[in-house]
Amino acid sequence: AQKITQTQPGMFVQEKEAVTLDCTYDTSDPSYGLFWYKQPSSGEMIFLIYQGSYDQQNATEGRYSLNFQKARKSANLVISASQLGDSAMYFCAMKGANFNKFYFGSGTKLNVKP
Amino acid sequence: DAMVIQNPRYQVTQFGKPVTLSCSQTLNHNVMYWYQQKSSQAPKLLFHYYDKDFNNEADTPDNFQSRRPNTSFCFLDIRSPGLGDAAMYLCATSRDRLAGGRETQYFGPGTRLLVL
Repeated sequence: AQKITQTQPGMFVQEKEAVTLDCTYDTSDPSYGLFWYKQPSSGEMIFLIYQGSYDQQNATEGRYSLNFQKARKSANLVISASQLGDSAMYFCAMKGANFNKFYFGSGTKLNVKP
Repeated sequence: DAMVIQNPRYQVTQFGKPVTLSCSQTLNHNVMYWYQQKSSQAPKLLFHYYDKDFNNEADTPDNFQSRRPNTSFCFLDIRSPGLGDAAMYLCATSRDRLAGGRETQYFGPGTRLLVL
């Protein structure tokens, strides 16, 4: 069974500072993908970053980076230089190699303070 | 631009009155998903299609049905909406797993359903 755990229901960060959102996962699949999505109050889910289980390097996309620790089964999202527009819900998700289903964590609500 | 479109963005229906939500895509993806999302919760997968192959989640109520007449369109039918069905409904697409695990889901803007 696949499971994603996000233990931080809410986070605050000061504008321009970095913040780490935690995500741990559990799977028996040898190959899988990990995804982070942002959901602003408007409701649309926006894809941020992807990490494959066999990727040797941590993924980066602009101000987003993924701290992937495979042995610990964690895939934390790091947002550098936070902006007010980063205030949103953030979801970690996983997809096994053998399925078309995505499994979501419960989300973390990030508030960026001016 | 290729995208996922959901109509309407807001839907108000009466208790027990059937309602249909629609989703279309220009990405030519063969997998389409319907999620229900309630406030501050994770999206809950209702069902997904792999081409015309329908995959229902075990805990999806019978009140929810879906149709996919072709690759581009997918519909969510709620036969007798209850107050507990008020939620955001998200449609998403992806390429199938054989295309590689890297492929993400692309989401539509969602339809917010209100049941009176």
